[in-house]
Order: sequence, then structure tokens, then C-alpha cells
Amino acid sequence: AQKITQTQPGMFVQEKEAVTLDCTYDTSDQSYGLFWYKQPSSGEMIFLIYQGSYDEQNATEGRYSLNFQKARKSANLVISASQLGDSAMYFCAMAHSGYALNFGKGTSLLVTP
Amino acid sequence: ETGVTQTPRHLVMGMTNKKSLKCEQHLGHNAMYWYKQSAKKPLELMFVYSLEERVENNSVPSRFSPECPNSSHLFLHLHTLQPEDSALYLCASSRGGGEWDTEAFFGQGTRLTVV
Repeated sequence: AQKITQTQPGMFVQEKEAVTLDCTYDTSDQSYGLFWYKQPSSGEMIFLIYQGSYDEQNATEGRYSLNFQKARKSANLVISASQLGDSAMYFCAMAHSGYALNFGKGTSLLVTP
Repeated sequence: ETGVTQTPRHLVMGMTNKKSLKCEQHLGHNAMYWYKQSAKKPLELMFVYSLEERVENNSVPSRFSPECPNSSHLFLHLHTLQPEDSALYLCASSRGGGEWDTEAFFGQGTRLTVV
């Protein structure tokens, strides 16, 4: 069974600083995809970034980058230049053969002025 | 706005009521999903539909009944729910086709409270 682990229930970061949110995964599949979603208090899950298991370069999307270390089975999200609006829950998820995403328990990020 | 719309946003229902949650997407996606998000738990996949056919059902109690009349609409019919069913119910859609892909968009969710 595929498993996603997010070990940080809560994180604090000061505005304009960078922050890394940890995610490790466990799978025996060779082909899989890794995702990060942001969930503000409104409830909507907002897609941030995607990394395929065969992608050689780390994914980047604006201020978001994914630090993908395949051998260590980790897919950490790095948010650079944090903004107050980044305060939210962040979920790491993995997709493998089949349709749906498996999610971790999430990390609550609070950005302080 | 992700292109996936859920209604209602909030719902309070008694244990003997019957209600339905609605999800609509106009992204041209072929797969739609229902997820349940309870407090302090990971998102739980409930149902998956691909091209209007149910392809996955994760041992969900029969008091939850999904319906997918076409590739743009997904319903979750609720009846005789329990208080522990109170949660945020999220709908999502993706291109589908039997393989995961890089697009999976969620609606804003329905916050359900069973009293």
C-alpha cells in the first residue's frame, strides 16, 4: 500500500523567509506522481506543484519548488519569500497506477509578519 | 476558481433526512471523485467515476450513494447519516483515462454537519 507521511503538524515562518515542508512516501511502484496542495480555511484544495517519478529535474512553479530525492523517497515543498496569504494547510499526495490521489495528514503553515 | 463547483457549501441535516451534494465541472475531464475530510485525518477517497462508470468504491457505507449522470456532474446522495459522518466532502476531477495525470482539481467542498 502506498503511504504518505508528513511529520510536521504545524510550522511557523516569518514573512519573506523561505520554508520547507517535509513529505516522505512509500511505494513499490516505479511510476508515480507527487503533488502538493494548499487548503486555506475556505476549504478548497488548490493544486500547487507536480513531480513525476521519472522527471530528472525538480519541479518549480513560481515561489514553489519541489525538492525531489527519489532514493530517499522524499518530496519536500519549498516556499520562497513567504507571504501572509501562504498561511494554510499543505498536503502532499501521491498518485500511482489507477486514478486517485493518496494524501498525507497535512502541515499547518502560519506566516507571521 | 478551479472549474469545479460544489453545492451547497454548507449543509446541516438530521439523521433521518435525505439530502444530496452536487458537483459540476466544465473542464472536459473524464474522471470525478468524492473525498471525505474529517478533522485531523487524511483525505479519504470515497468514490471514483471514469466516463460515468464507477471504478472504485472504498468500502463506503451504503448510506452514501453516488450518482454520475454524465461526465460533468457528480452527486452524493445522503440518507440516515450518523454524527460521525460530519466532515468536509470534496469533489475533484481529472482527465482520467486509466492513468494518473498532472491535473486534478478540487471544488471548495461541502461542510456537512449531521445533528
